[in-house]
Amino acid sequence: QVQLQESGPGLVKPSETLSLTCTISGYSISSNYFWGWVRQPPGKGLEWIGNIYHSGTTYYNPSLKSRVTILVDTSKNQFSLKLSSVTAADTAVYYCMKYTNSGMDVWGQGATVTVSS
Amino acid sequence: QSALTQPASVSGSPGQSITISCTGTSSDVGGYNYVSWYQQHPGKAPKLMVYDVSNRPSGVSNRFSGSKSGNTASLTISGLQAEDEADYYCSSYRSSTTYVFGTGTKVTVL
Repeated sequence: QVQLQESGPGLVKPSETLSLTCTISGYSISSNYFWGWVRQPPGKGLEWIGNIYHSGTTYYNPSLKSRVTILVDTSKNQFSLKLSSVTAADTAVYYCMKYTNSGMDVWGQGATVTVSS
Repeated sequence: QSALTQPASVSGSPGQSITISCTGTSSDVGGYNYVSWYQQHPGKAPKLMVYDVSNRPSGVSNRFSGSKSGNTASLTISGLQAEDEADYYCSSYRSSTTYVFGTGTKVTVL
């Protein structure tokens, strides 16, 4: 069965770039599907960040588009998130997920990222 | 990017049925049959409960059902159980190949 695991620094300084990686097990990222990121600020709701197709085509939330990059690394069976110029408002739990035409059906456990000096 | 609108909270007694609404626009909920619902327990990742408006993934109880009318989608939980107490989020495809979540609804079992 497909499993996802987020990894990356838990603390990022303001104005720097947040970087997270999602490692996939049980499935080859090169085969199919969309893969993406969702975040949840403390005590708040879910926010879709963006998706990447296995071919590398990306789709981003318009409100974050200028700061977000999602990439695929097929050699490591991973995909990554980079969010630049972070502020305290970017403090959140970041989830990676698998998206099919049946919805976001597999999720990672989440990675907590705090933006603070 | 504006979120879909959900009631902040809904409650019911064990065994009762409750319905959570999710209101959007003709550019998202009303324009596509790509509405999904997610259950999230505290400190846990969301779990897909319904996709494509009314379909349930394998393993999800048939007590959960989805529907849509116009720009509003709904999730009904019948035979409410203590384990259903959680936050619920709707999500919809939106034009320009983007996605949007609802504001979230806290379900309390009395």
